[in-house]
Amino acid sequence: DGGITQSPKYLFRKEGQNVTLSCEQNLNHDAMYWYRQDPGQGLRLIYYSQIVNDFQKGDIAEGYSVSREKKESFPLTVTSAQKNPTAFYLCASSIAAVMVVDTQYFGPGTRLTVL
Amino acid sequence: AQTVTQSQPEMSVQEAETVTLSCTYDTSESDYYLFWYKQPPSRQMILVIRQEAYKQQNATENRFSVNFQKAAKSFSLKISDSQLGDAAMYFCAYRSPIWTGGGADGLTFGKGTHLIIQP
Repeated sequence: DGGITQSPKYLFRKEGQNVTLSCEQNLNHDAMYWYRQDPGQGLRLIYYSQIVNDFQKGDIAEGYSVSREKKESFPLTVTSAQKNPTAFYLCASSIAAVMVVDTQYFGPGTRLTVL
Repeated sequence: AQTVTQSQPEMSVQEAETVTLSCTYDTSESDYYLFWYKQPPSRQMILVIRQEAYKQQNATENRFSVNFQKAAKSFSLKISDSQLGDAAMYFCAYRSPIWTGGGADGLTFGKGTHLIIQP
């Protein structure tokens, strides 16, 4: 089955620790995205990548880092510099082709809680 | 920068009735895409319907249809014959097309409308 997987589903972190959220897709999509969702809010863009070995900051990149070494994978690291990391994190991917409706498809999400 | 506003934090409808969720947006672009996503209690974001701004015809997907008013910058979602499984958060989202260079910025989301279905 084609789709986007995220792991783990739940993640607990102690203050001062870095943690990495996994995102994998087998849709052969070029572009991948990370969003953060807080209660009562819509999604906000953290980072995005339109091609392997290239990525760009979104609206709320401070305290986060990413890598894109493979087309299928786009891991997100939440660093100790992120002051309020407790949130729901969603990964998405899209074809990112010109002249088509570039629809983003989402993974099931990871709930991160800082203890 | 674009903004998306959903003015109804919560809506309630009787099963089998019709409900309309509102969305307005602000942009200076002439070409763009609009989406409605559904987020059930599982929290998975599911695409409901999408609309290209250059198309005058409103998009429809089975019981879901949109009323796209480009001049008014309005993009409402109509759900007909509401079912219990339609209960969820609904998010309106905006995206610039790839060829303007804005597509790489991802989606801009509204804050969502919580839809309750009364049996």
